[in-house]
Amino acid sequence: DAGVIQSPRHEVTEMGQEVTLRCKPISGHDYLFWYRQTMMRGLELLIYFNNNVPIDDSGMPEDRFSAKMPNASFSTLKIQPSEPRDSAVYFCASTSASSNQPQHFGDGTRLSIL
Amino acid sequence: EDQVTQSPEALRLQEGESSSLNCSYTVSGLRGLFWYRQDPGKGPEFLFTLYSAGEEKEKERLKATLTKKESFLHITAPKPEDSATYLCAVLPNTGNQFYFGTGTSLTVIP
Repeated sequence: DAGVIQSPRHEVTEMGQEVTLRCKPISGHDYLFWYRQTMMRGLELLIYFNNNVPIDDSGMPEDRFSAKMPNASFSTLKIQPSEPRDSAVYFCASTSASSNQPQHFGDGTRLSIL
Repeated sequence: EDQVTQSPEALRLQEGESSSLNCSYTVSGLRGLFWYRQDPGKGPEFLFTLYSAGEEKEKERLKATLTKKESFLHITAPKPEDSATYLCAVLPNTGNQFYFGTGTSLTVIP
C-alpha cells in the first residue's frame, strides 16, 4: 500500500521566494496534518484538515503560511515570502478518525531558506 | 493543558544492555497513546497504540506499557539497528489533535 507521499524531498531557495510543499495522503484517510520539525522545538502542528476542511490553523506561525486541501488526495502548504527562520523539515501525516487510528507520516520535505 | 514529556532526551546503550524510555503525559482524558520510531531523514514510523492503563504491546525487542500518568518503552537486549529517535504522542478525548513529546534519541553501541 502506498503511504503518505510528499514532494519535493528537499528544497533550497532564497529568502523572499515562494515555496510550495505538496502532500498526497493515504487513500481513505479523512484527516490530514501538517507539522514542522526542528531540533529546538520538535514536532509542531501547523494545521489540520478533516474531509478537506481546515479545522485548526492556530499553529500556523504567520500570515506568510497558508495551506489548502482542494480534494481528498492532495494538499499544499505554501510559504510566501520565505525567510531563513522557516528552514526546517515539514511533515504531512494522515489518519482515519475511526477507532482512534495512529497518524501515518510521509518522509518530509527538508526546506532550506538562504 | 494537554502535555507530553519524554525522558531521557538521549540514551547511549551498549549492545545487549536493556533499558526503558519514559513518556509522561497530562490530558483531560486519554483516547490513545502512540509510540513512533524516527530514523534520520525519515518520517516517524508507527510502532504501538495503547488505550488503557495496564495495557501492554510487544514487538521484537520492544515492549510498551501504560499507566494513568505515563508510558514506558522497554528495550530488551538492544541491537545497533534499534538506534533511532523514539517519539510518543497522546490523543485526548476531545478533538483530533495529537500531542507529541520531543523524543528520546537512542544510540546502541556495538
